[in-house]
Amino acid sequence: GAVVSQHPSWVICKSGTSVKIECRSLDFQATTMFWYRQFPKQSLMLMATSNEGSKATYEQGVEKDKFLINHASLTLSTLTVTSAHPEDSSFYICSARAEGNGYTFGSGTRLTVV
Amino acid sequence: EDQVTQSPEALRLQEGESSSLNCSYTVSGLRGLFWYRQDPGKGPEFLFTLYSAGEEKEKERLKATLTKKESFLHITAPKPEDSATYLCAVRSDTGRRALTFGSGTRLQVQP
Repeated sequence: GAVVSQHPSWVICKSGTSVKIECRSLDFQATTMFWYRQFPKQSLMLMATSNEGSKATYEQGVEKDKFLINHASLTLSTLTVTSAHPEDSSFYICSARAEGNGYTFGSGTRLTVV
Repeated sequence: EDQVTQSPEALRLQEGESSSLNCSYTVSGLRGLFWYRQDPGKGPEFLFTLYSAGEEKEKERLKATLTKKESFLHITAPKPEDSATYLCAVRSDTGRRALTFGSGTRLQVQP
C-alpha cells in the first residue's frame, strides 16, 4: 500500500530558530500534498495544499511567510517553520495523494518550541 | 463551507460491548466520506471510503455505513486494541482537494 514517510517524528527547538519537516511518498508519486496542524484533543486543521512545482495554497489565517512549503518533486514536500515561537508548538501532519487515489498520512511531527 | 460533526466526543466501552459512532456532514456535493483511526502521537490510518448513500464497507470488527446526511461506524464486540480516536472526513465537489475533518471520537475499550 501507499506509504508516506515524515521526519523528524519529534523536534525541540529554541524560540527564534527555524525547523524543517520532510514528507516523502515512498512508493507513489504524489501530485498533491497537504499539511495539517493538530492541537491536543482537537482535529486536523488544514494549513496548506501544494502541487509539485507550484506555489502552495494557504488556508485563511495561516502565515505563508512563517510556514514555508516547498514541493520540489513528486515525492517530497517540506514545511519550514521560520522564527518559531512557543505558540507554534503543535503536532504537524502531512498527507499525500496521487490523482485518483486516496489520501495517505505521515506519522506526524511533534514540534516543541522552548 | 463543508462541515463535519462527530459524536460522541468520547466513548468508553467494555470489551465485547458493541456500539456506533456518528458522523454528520454538510457539503455541497459529496465526493467521498473517509474514516480514519488515529493512535496517540501518530498520523491517521485509513479505514474506509464511502461514496454514495446506502454504501457499506466492513473490515474485521468495523462496519461503516453512509446516508445522505450522516455516516456511522459500527464496532462489533470491540477489543482493547480498538481503543483509538476515530476521525471522519469529507471531500466535496467544490474543487477543494483537501479533506475536512471532524473533531473525532475518542474510544476506550476496557478489558
